[in-house]
Amino acid sequence: DTAVSQTPKYLVTQMGNDKSIKCEQNLGHDTMYWYKQDSKKFLKIMFSYNNKELIINETVPNRFSPKSPDKAHLNLHINSLELGDSAVYFCASSRALKNTQYFGPGTRLTVL
Amino acid sequence: QQQVKQSPQSLIVQKGGISIINCAYENTAFDYFPWYQQFPGKGPALLIAIRPDVSEKKEGRFTISFNKSAKQFSLHIMDSQPGDSATYFCAASKDGGTSYGKLTFGQGTILTVHP
Repeated sequence: DTAVSQTPKYLVTQMGNDKSIKCEQNLGHDTMYWYKQDSKKFLKIMFSYNNKELIINETVPNRFSPKSPDKAHLNLHINSLELGDSAVYFCASSRALKNTQYFGPGTRLTVL
Repeated sequence: QQQVKQSPQSLIVQKGGISIINCAYENTAFDYFPWYQQFPGKGPALLIAIRPDVSEKKEGRFTISFNKSAKQFSLHIMDSQPGDSATYFCAASKDGGTSYGKLTFGQGTILTVHP
């Protein structure tokens, strides 16, 4: 059973388009995160949600909007995609009050 | 501002050798220090973690050494195997407050273990 899953695994799109990435976890965790991994493999947190409430919002352009319909899902919507948005986006989850984060397989976004 | 600095960027070790990766942090409020292992095309996976109340933690061939006064911690992989070839990330975070759950990662080390 996949603990943290993301769809799609690959996403290729044109500049200016709007796209969404979906994340689901079946671990019963309360907290979910989005990370961006750039071409140099540097991992940086973007957002985190705890019990559907936004608690971390790093310096991310407002073209990026996370949405958590329930505790098991955290989606990322990106408007007006730019070349610099090309990266691998990872979803992660953790149990409240614990720091062990479990990562999904990633979504490789390529903006042409 | 890079709060967690990791070195080396890449490391080549012979099978059976010891791999050592170092990290240094700046924020003295950090109280949780995990190491993640990432294989190509996969997400990072927790390998081992330590809190500052101990100076060393060992799990199998993997050991974290922690030096609170120097604000440094390191990962030692004993008897390195080709299957250990991956990218390793150190990270740090602090419980509670507005930074709850926020992991700050090092830049990563690409480890290659030759057979």
